Amino acid sequence: GAGVSQSPSNKVTEKGKDVELRCDPISGHTALYWYRQSLGQGLEFLIYFQGNSAPDKSGLPSDRFSAERTGGSVSTLTIQRTQQEDSAVYLCASSPRSGANVLTFGAGSRLTVL
Amino acid sequence: AQSVSQHNHHVILSEAASLELGCNYSYGGTVNLFWYVQYPGQHLQLLLKYFSGDPLVKGIKGFEAEFIKSKFSFNLRKPSVQWSDTAEYFCAVNAETGGFKTIFGAGTRLFVKA
Repeated sequence: GAGVSQSPSNKVTEKGKDVELRCDPISGHTALYWYRQSLGQGLEFLIYFQGNSAPDKSGLPSDRFSAERTGGSVSTLTIQRTQQEDSAVYLCASSPRSGANVLTFGAGSRLTVL
Repeated sequence: AQSVSQHNHHVILSEAASLELGCNYSYGGTVNLFWYVQYPGQHLQLLLKYFSGDPLVKGIKGFEAEFIKSKFSFNLRKPSVQWSDTAEYFCAVNAETGGFKTIFGAGTRLFVKA
């Protein structure tokens, strides 16, 4: 597609429920990144994919967070048993490859956990 | 630990004032450096980047940044700000020693008074 698409744009859920956030990167971009943006916390790195593999999962905050990418394209970030501290904007970005490349960001998915 | 530090979290300036936002990083070796900007209600977008060559790089809207390797710094400057520069500014680093994941600073919120 023309840009990075994320869905849903807004999600309100109850504490303890599972949520899935989807990212559709720019066609042909092999690198895909997930970040979390919380008020006053900047952009927190979560995970990045090169193709379908995830060389670096070091940013995932806990084992309740997982992500996958299939077919070298769409990625899903799953948060199990959500907690109030998971409330944030989850941003996805893609680039033609990892390394010296500019990231193109999506609009983000705003998650609110009640 | 590898990190990116932005010195100012909030900056308030009047129009026509000069701007300098500090950014320091802790990565060794070859680095790729970026400034991204997020205008109110918009996606994060690239302001400027440094990969190699002239350490003084120019970006969009009159912004520039200088890479000083000895100081591990990449400060952003603009001689005369405008009201439309009100936004949040993020410094980012991508390095081989960091596994080529792009790490962001905490961001600086700039408010320009008309």
